[in-house]
Amino acid sequence: AQSVTQPDIHITVSEGASLELRCNYSYGATPYLFWYVQSPGQGLQLLLKYFSGDTLVQGIKGFEAEFKRSQSSFNLRKPSVHWSDAAEYFCAVENSWGKLQFGAGTQVVVTP
Amino acid sequence: DADVTQTPRNRITKTGKRIMLECSQTKGHDRMYWYRQDPGLGLRLIYYSFDVKDINKGEISDGYSVSRQAQAKFSLSLESAIPNQTALYFCATSDRDTDTQYFGPGTRLTVL
Repeated sequence: AQSVTQPDIHITVSEGASLELRCNYSYGATPYLFWYVQSPGQGLQLLLKYFSGDTLVQGIKGFEAEFKRSQSSFNLRKPSVHWSDAAEYFCAVENSWGKLQFGAGTQVVVTP
Repeated sequence: DADVTQTPRNRITKTGKRIMLECSQTKGHDRMYWYRQDPGLGLRLIYYSFDVKDINKGEISDGYSVSRQAQAKFSLSLESAIPNQTALYFCATSDRDTDTQYFGPGTRLTVL
């Protein structure tokens, strides 16, 4: 069965510092992978997605993610965090039937 | 105007009451989904519909039912609400070409 693991429930980062959020998946075939962000009181917004091709994917708001098949990972990164990046981040994998399986989420707190 | 709308945005109800949550979309997508979000569990799929005549159970469909009234409308019902159905509910849509899901703003439901 497929699964998505986000090992970090909560991360605190200083404004201007770099951020990396981890995501590991278990899936038999080549997965479709997604990162979504949920700001307080808001719905989920797509940051980026990986279907195939270049394993380094660029997204919105300065985020990027790297697909590493050998490590079954799809980690999200941002070189310099802004206070507005405080939010909850979800990694998700899509199966062949168009259904998403979400990780439990990582809450990011940005300190001045 | 938002592409995916949900009504109501907040609802407080009592145990045993029937509740309907509504979702409308203007994106012209065939596929629609209902999820619930609980702290520490991410989003879990309740029901999904790939077209008007297609309804499928997700991983946690017990206690819920849905109706796809039109391509643009997908309603979620709780026939007899119970306190452990207190959660944040999200509707999402996608089309088969992009495989990307777009989320509504969510409905916060509290069952007392």
